[in-house]
Amino acid sequence: DGGITQSPKYLFRKEGQNVTLSCEQNLNHDAMYWYRQDPGQGLRLIYYSQIVNDFQKGDIAEGYSVSREKKESFPLTVTSAQKNPTAFYLCATSGTYSSGANVLTFGAGSRLTVL
Amino acid sequence: SQQGEEDPQALSIQEGENATMNCSYKTSINNLQWYRQNSGRGLVHLILIRSNEREKHSGRLRVTLDTSKKSSSLLITASRAADTASYFCATRNRDDKIIFGKGTRLHILP
Repeated sequence: DGGITQSPKYLFRKEGQNVTLSCEQNLNHDAMYWYRQDPGQGLRLIYYSQIVNDFQKGDIAEGYSVSREKKESFPLTVTSAQKNPTAFYLCATSGTYSSGANVLTFGAGSRLTVL
Repeated sequence: SQQGEEDPQALSIQEGENATMNCSYKTSINNLQWYRQNSGRGLVHLILIRSNEREKHSGRLRVTLDTSKKSSSLLITASRAADTASYFCATRNRDDKIIFGKGTRLHILP
């Protein structure tokens, strides 16, 4: 899916466990995003990062954490504080608005199920 | 909160007919984008319209933007079975925050 690798594709977790979803890109894009999608619903923004070592909360950041130590990588940790983590998680990248590259490129997604 | 809201939530039409989906948003934007998602997959960008544009075409796609009404529409002409998917609008602000609507599920009937 366009130079973005998300892993794992499927993940099962017991309640109370933290899990980390990986997102790696080779598109040399500055901005990276994490979205959550529930069945039949739209995408809700969790976190986004415009540059290395900086990130901003989206609309539903509670119970999630991220890091951006490298331009290529933007891992998402779903913590035990997230009350209803079962969902489809999508990572996306983009150039920044100021660069004129406005379009998002998506990974294939990671489906997390809490048992 | 969701920035864009698509209407209708679901749409079924006969193959060959035109499909129209609408999107409304709440705040000022720099551009509005439409994406397509096949079931269980990532989204794919279709078309982008900037805030100073009123209409844009790409193949069988036509997008309009009315910033005074904070609304956009996506028209797919001469629909095909392969157009069956969910369609989402997304708005982008100058701070690079990109917000999606809830989407329209389009089903093309043979």
